[in-house]
Amino acid sequence: GAGVSQSPSNKVTEKGKDVELRCDPISGHTALYWYRQSLGQGLEFLIYFQGNSAPDKSGLPSDRFSAERTGGSVSTLTIQRTQQEDSAVYLCASSPPTSGSSDTQYFGPGTRLTVL
Amino acid sequence: AQKITQTQPGMFVQEKEAVTLDCTYDTSDPSYGLFWYKQPSSGEMIFLIYQGSYDQQNATEGRYSLNFQKARKSANLVISASQLGDSAMYFCAMREPRGGSARQLTFGSGTQLTVLP
Repeated sequence: GAGVSQSPSNKVTEKGKDVELRCDPISGHTALYWYRQSLGQGLEFLIYFQGNSAPDKSGLPSDRFSAERTGGSVSTLTIQRTQQEDSAVYLCASSPPTSGSSDTQYFGPGTRLTVL
Repeated sequence: AQKITQTQPGMFVQEKEAVTLDCTYDTSDPSYGLFWYKQPSSGEMIFLIYQGSYDQQNATEGRYSLNFQKARKSANLVISASQLGDSAMYFCAMREPRGGSARQLTFGSGTQLTVLP
């Protein structure tokens, strides 16, 4: 079946503008994650959604970052008033409705964000 | 302290040879999962192999195997019969349930593997 999809694949924006990044998880996957991959920081967890539960926002770096997940499926990551340090690849992953530590996360192709 | 440590920033291997990519981890949770992902230059993260902390056998998936040494807290990835297409960045990652609510992965810094013809 279809994998995780993300859009846009590339986004160039000016400092101070808001951006929205979209993630469409694998059908039937209840868990959805956002990560950020940057040269200086490696791969960092941002936020996690599981079904209808309150999201785990513990990885969001500032209040300029927010995310929502509508209908338990598509998720949007919003960055307000972008800064140059927000430039990174934003990766989305989803995992099936199982329990325990074995849930494998399947990643999308990422959105490369460049803030000028 | 680093949760996942990959001490080899870069590795070279001759085509058809085997290569071991090192990974050590740090956790006090008795239940955890260890994962390896491959990231080619195209950027996608490809799941390779999983090892659970309670698994008695080392995980294997085709040419990939995981050398799991629990007492040493190491989870090295072994790639047998390397192919040119194996050239990529490889990430070791850990998941700690932490009471069942936290499920995110913690990643190491990665190892860039180059397979030489």
